[in-house]
Parts: sequence; structure tokens; C-alpha cells
Amino acid sequence: SAVISQKPSRDICQRGTSLTIQCQVDSQVTMMFWYRQQPGQSLTLIATANQGSEATYESGFVIDKFPISRPNLTFSTLTVSNMSPEDSSIYLCSVGTSGSVEQFFGPGTRLTVL
Amino acid sequence: KQEVTQIPAALSVPEGENLVLNCSFTDSAIYNLQWFRQDPGKGLTSLLLIQSSQREQTSGRLNASLDKSSGRSTLYIAASQPGDSATYLCAVDRGGSARQLTFGSGTQLTVLP
Repeated sequence: SAVISQKPSRDICQRGTSLTIQCQVDSQVTMMFWYRQQPGQSLTLIATANQGSEATYESGFVIDKFPISRPNLTFSTLTVSNMSPEDSSIYLCSVGTSGSVEQFFGPGTRLTVL
Repeated sequence: KQEVTQIPAALSVPEGENLVLNCSFTDSAIYNLQWFRQDPGKGLTSLLLIQSSQREQTSGRLNASLDKSSGRSTLYIAASQPGDSATYLCAVDRGGSARQLTFGSGTQLTVLP
């Protein structure tokens, strides 16, 4: 299985600021995804991070609010822009490979917006 | 749109008891179903994956079954231990080139010593 790290592990931010979350994988992966888990809720897919092209966003999520980069097959970033307290969540990246149907998740980034 | 439901939302059992967690989904056209464990404030740990052509998978004290036609999966935990206390999530993969997961709301399990 892939080993996935996320930075930062947690942060407390002020309203109106932006935070960039990094996801690093120890091997090349085909697919990378970003999920959000709001307090007491299950996971909701934000977008699929596509290498070399724009991310594919799910309904309710837009690029201006959650810009995503994926410069190569092992790294992706998610930015939470112009934050409000409603953005307080755990943000998780996950990966999948063409050789396996299983998906693996990073440890998550716990974001609190004051 | 795929919807995934998990029942019960919370479960408390004494140590040593066998238990079953339930997961149901509305669209049977799935690629696979995956069970995860999440400890408080942590990420997800993959427990078992059942591909659409399979009916069950086993790992240690865990057994997961899948009935695509009825849109149901169960996770059976034998001889539960306090260390099994966590939230258990099921997720279905709709397959194709997308491969995104749709998650249930989870079952919060507490195993009492």
C-alpha cells in the first residue's frame, strides 16, 4: 500500500485567510482525490486532482474556493481560500493506482477557522 | 445519485461479543465496496475491499459480505475487543475512469472492557 503524508497535520486560521494543504505519496499513483469531513459528518469528495490538467470538481465545490494543483504523480495541494468558520473540517487526500482497486487515505489535516 | 446508509449510527457492546455492522446503497451498479476504520481525529485505515464479482472477504476477525442485487453489505467482527472501538465507514466505488468513493455516515462502535 502507498504511504501518504499530509502537511500541516492541523492548523488554526483566521477568517478571510487561505491555507494550502500538501499531500505527498511515496510512490507514483494514478489517481489522487481530496475529501472533506465536517464535524460529526462522513466524508464528501471535493475533487479529483488530475496530473497536468485542471481538477475535476464535484457538485457544490468550485475552483475559486478550493484550487488544486497536481504537478506530478506523487504530489498534490489543496488550497482553502477566503476561509470562514464553516470551512472548519478535516481535509483528507486519497490515492488509487491502476494496478489496484483499493484506495488509501492520508492522515488528514484538521482545520479550525476562527 | 448513489446514497449509502449505515445502521446503526452507534453501537456499544461488551468485550468478546460478536457484532454486525450494516451498509446499504441505492445503486447496485458498483465497482467495489470498501470498509474503513477511523479513530477519533485520525485518517482512514482500509480494512477490507470487496470487488463487485465477490461475495465476501475475510481478514483476521473481520468478515465483510456483499449482496449487490439487494444493495447491502455487512461487516462482521468476531470476539470484539476494546481496541476495536472506532468509527467504521463503508464506501462504494462507482468505477469507470472516475473511481470516486461515496461514503456512508458511519457506525461509531464502542467495545466495553
